[in-house]
Amino acid sequence: DSGVTQTPKHLITATGQRVTLRCSPRSGDLSVYWYQQSLDQGLQFLIQYYNGEERAKGNILERFSAQQFPDLHSELNLSSLELGDSALYFCASSPPSAGSNSPLHFGNGTRLTVT
Amino acid sequence: AQTVTQSQPEMSVQEAETVTLSCTYDTSESDYYLFWYKQPPSRQMILVIRQEAYKQQNATENRFSVNFQKAAKSFSLKISDSQLGDAAMYFCAYRRLQGAQKLVFGQGTRLTINP
Repeated sequence: DSGVTQTPKHLITATGQRVTLRCSPRSGDLSVYWYQQSLDQGLQFLIQYYNGEERAKGNILERFSAQQFPDLHSELNLSSLELGDSALYFCASSPPSAGSNSPLHFGNGTRLTVT
Repeated sequence: AQTVTQSQPEMSVQEAETVTLSCTYDTSESDYYLFWYKQPPSRQMILVIRQEAYKQQNATENRFSVNFQKAAKSFSLKISDSQLGDAAMYFCAYRRLQGAQKLVFGQGTRLTINP
């Protein structure tokens, strides 16, 4: 168990809808990262938050947004969903020490299916 | 921007034999971290091994070892005495030492273990 909790495990929704994915990082971790993994693809970095502030942005669509709350949990909001948004969405967290060689610890992912 | 390339989409090996997975990366930085993650059919992301770029000694974790060639920007993973449980997607990843510490992933290598 990585200590990173993602909910829900599965989501099935229709095109045009909006969903929210939730992530609770490991205890003590301040950074949260969101990744998208489409079928049989590598993980694409979406966005990183550190202690409530956006730290880095990757290939995140304008229809997607995220935030990190004071209790450090994070939410990824996906709107105007398209079939191509179907993917596994991972959240990961890491400790606060800059330069640490601690790896990212991943949650089990949320499987999103858009029909 | 840093990139990671895994040139072998698929590999297979007989049980109990040794297999090497290739990874190359591109960066202009001198200090960074490299990781291998394993993703079994359960889709969890599991850390296999990590390497600090400033260390010349290759990392080893039980049956897993790396061949880190900094000048060539190569980071291969060797799995000895392959076991059926090693069957998975393997992802090579790069992480900066400072600044935005996201992981940059390669596209993955699917490893099949033949009994």
